[in-house]
Formats: sequence, structure tokens, C-alpha cells
Amino acid sequence: NAGVTQTPKFRVLKTGQSMTLLCAQDMNHEYMYWYRQDPGMGLRLIHYSVGEGTTAKGEVPDGYNVSRLKKQNFLLGLESAAPSQTSVYFCASSRDRGWEQFFGPGTRLTVL
Amino acid sequence: AQSVTQPDIHITVSEGASLELRCNYSYGATPYLFWYVQSPGQGLQLLLKYFSGDTLVQGIKGFEAEFKRSQSSFNLRKPSVHWSDAAEYFCAVGKEDSGYALNFGKGTSLLVTP
Repeated sequence: NAGVTQTPKFRVLKTGQSMTLLCAQDMNHEYMYWYRQDPGMGLRLIHYSVGEGTTAKGEVPDGYNVSRLKKQNFLLGLESAAPSQTSVYFCASSRDRGWEQFFGPGTRLTVL
Repeated sequence: AQSVTQPDIHITVSEGASLELRCNYSYGATPYLFWYVQSPGQGLQLLLKYFSGDTLVQGIKGFEAEFKRSQSSFNLRKPSVHWSDAAEYFCAVGKEDSGYALNFGKGTSLLVTP
């Protein structure tokens, strides 16, 4: 099992550009999450999904959109990137509510 | 709303010494509590979790944590620290209103000296 994988690992964008981060899990987990990590802030929830076809906003959703068309994939989109979105992005998945979350290796995004 | 606080931003211990990292939670009912570790440039690895039952929880790498409802705490301990334990440690609580997403503390950075 690969667990949770994230694509790409690194990316540099210019302000206003768009991109999509891909998260994939092979554990048949229902729940998936996108977090961002900034120095001194811990991890903050951007969006989450409790099953295929569902998405919901987290703590810091502005400037991001998500889709969960397939159970194993959770996509995070930035339509018009801003320097404030420079961060490390982590995807996680969980078998059920309240169970442990498995994290991907992260995507380091820099917006110039 | 469920939240956690990690009072110590940085902690330095000598190799072989004991370790205790503090975590305080805010929640009325029994929370889902977790400790994760993050090595530099890496993702997060689960050390241990508490859902219910025995309040002393054993985890990987020789770590343990004790859930104390009276003190609203879930402190992480290790009797003898190794240099490889140097990392960032995060306490987290599951949030019922967000699909049980994790609400993380801001982390404690552990430095281990020879």
C-alpha cells in the first residue's frame, strides 16, 4: 500500500496563476482532509470530505476549491494564487469519523 | 468548540533524560485526542491516540500519554530521550462539527542535546 500520496511535491507559482494539488489514498477511506501548515500556526483545516461526492469548508477555505469525484482522490484547487497561499499543504485520510488520520508527505507551494 | 493548547513552543532536553510535553484541551465531553510527530521536511506520523477507556495510552517509539479529565490535559511522556526524537510534536483533538478533522495545537519543537 502506498498510503496517502500527494502530487506535486514542490511548486512555484506567480500571483494569479492557477493549479491543482492531487491527493490519492489506497486505503478505501471515507474521510479526506486538506490542511495547510504555516510557521508557528500548526496545521489548519482548509476543506474536508466525508465521502465520495461530498465536500465542506474548514477553518481557512477562502481562495481554495475542492472536489471528490472519486473516493480515492481529493483535489485542491487554487484559481488565482496569492502570496498568502505560500505554505505547505498536507492531505490526510481517515477510515471513519474519529479514527486516526494518515497524512501524505506534503506539497510545498511558493507563490511569488 | 474543541481545541488544544501546547504551552511550550520549544523544549530542550539532554539525551537520556526524561521528557514531558504538555497539551491542554478544551471540550465538554470525552475528546478524541492524538499526538503526532513531524521530523524536518517530513509528513506527520501518529504517535498515539486516546478515544476512551484506559487513561494511560502507549504509543510507538517508547512514548506514552495520560488523559486527565480533571486537568483537561493529555501530556506526552518518554522516560529516556534519544537524539532521533528531535522533531516537532503536535497535539490534536478531533472536531465533531468538521467531519472529525483535527484541530492542532501550534506544536512544540524538541531539541535534544548530547
